[in-house]
Amino acid sequence: NAGVTQTPKFQVLKTGQSMTLQCAQDMNHNSMYWYRQDPGMGLRLIYYSASEGTTDKGEVPNGYNVSRLNKREFSLRLESAAPSQTSVYFCASSDSGLLNNEQFFGPGTRLTVL
Amino acid sequence: QKEVEQDPGPLSVPEGAIVSLNCTYSNSAFQYFMWYRQYSRKGPELLMYTYSSGNKEDGRFTAQVDKSSKYISLFIRDSQPSDSATYLCAMFTGGGNKLTFGTGTQLKVEL
Repeated sequence: NAGVTQTPKFQVLKTGQSMTLQCAQDMNHNSMYWYRQDPGMGLRLIYYSASEGTTDKGEVPNGYNVSRLNKREFSLRLESAAPSQTSVYFCASSDSGLLNNEQFFGPGTRLTVL
Repeated sequence: QKEVEQDPGPLSVPEGAIVSLNCTYSNSAFQYFMWYRQYSRKGPELLMYTYSSGNKEDGRFTAQVDKSSKYISLFIRDSQPSDSATYLCAMFTGGGNKLTFGTGTQLKVEL
């Protein structure tokens, strides 16, 4: 089991460029999440997908879009990157059958927007 | 005011020390309390979780929840250099899908 995988691991963009961050999980989890992690701010939820076919906004959705492509894959798109989106992005998944909503995280994508 | 407050540290201790990490929270609806450990340049991984108030022990780690004070703690006994990481508390009400995270405390255990 690979768990949660993310691509790419690193990316540098110029302001205004677009890109898609990919995430896949092989644990047959229903729910998937995108977070960003910034110094002093902790993990902030961008978007989540409770189940295949549904997506919802989290705490900081502005400037992002998501697609739940199938049960395994959940992508995050930056249409016009801004320096404020420089961050480390984590994808996570969880099994809706677990009472405590334990989330399993990927290794992260480090994004720099110049 | 944030729903979950956590001292960011850094906290530096000698090997073998007892470490106490803490979070306070304001939402009385939280029922599940978790501690995630995050090594440098890695994703967080669940270390322990507790349901409602009380203590839970797992090896050198003890998680403690005091719902009356809205205060949770993680104790690490006989700390090792391999415990050097950032520790994030997280909380869940038991409904919906969202975990609420603290900002994390950076711990360094020195030889």
